[in-house]
Amino acid sequence: QVTLKESGTGILQPSQALSLTCSFSGFSLSTTGICVSWIRQPSGKGLEWLADICWDDGKGYNPSLKNRLSISKDTSNNQAFLKITSVDTADTATYYCARGYYSSSDYWGQGVMVTVSS
Amino acid sequence: DIQMTQSPSSMSASLGDTVTITCLASQDIGNYLSWYQQKPGKSPKLMIYGATNLEDGVPSRFSGSRSGSDYSLTINSLGYDDEGIYHCHQYYEYPFTFGSGTKLEIK
Repeated sequence: QVTLKESGTGILQPSQALSLTCSFSGFSLSTTGICVSWIRQPSGKGLEWLADICWDDGKGYNPSLKNRLSISKDTSNNQAFLKITSVDTADTATYYCARGYYSSSDYWGQGVMVTVSS
Repeated sequence: DIQMTQSPSSMSASLGDTVTITCLASQDIGNYLSWYQQKPGKSPKLMIYGATNLEDGVPSRFSGSRSGSDYSLTINSLGYDDEGIYHCHQYYEYPFTFGSGTKLEIK
């Protein structure tokens, strides 16, 4: 059974760094074809793809976040991480991690709410 | 970035109706297009991948099609459980992108 769960800082102040963890089970990030993506959704708005990391350590980033993103993984402990530096109120959203296997993300976590406020 | 223009933004239909939601890709994405259903407070659920392939466990009332750069999601025999927001998603090229979503209400 594939499951993913996001965790991270719930409330931050502007200019701080946001660190998110995706803990998963039922698959391995060392399996060929597997990638884990991070997607976010501000309340009442659409989905925004942020980044992904794949079995071969390949990484993709959304350039709209202007080099503020860093994605990494710990294959042994079945975790993926996302760091966003210099947050501001526009980064307030629900953040999801999701698994893809040679295709679009098929399993998603429940999401974690992040609020940036002074 | 590849823009996904999704329409309509919202729609209302009756039980048993057939509805179609479309996404226009700003450049070629082949069949790297998926559709998600999202209910309030829940994470998106994969419905269609590869433009036309039904995800396991999704009712056959759902179908996906492609005509050039136009992609469609059709839902037959609408039921109350089909209410939600539908998102298209291209995973052909980084950065992956989503359409703006279609809110489907069942009257």
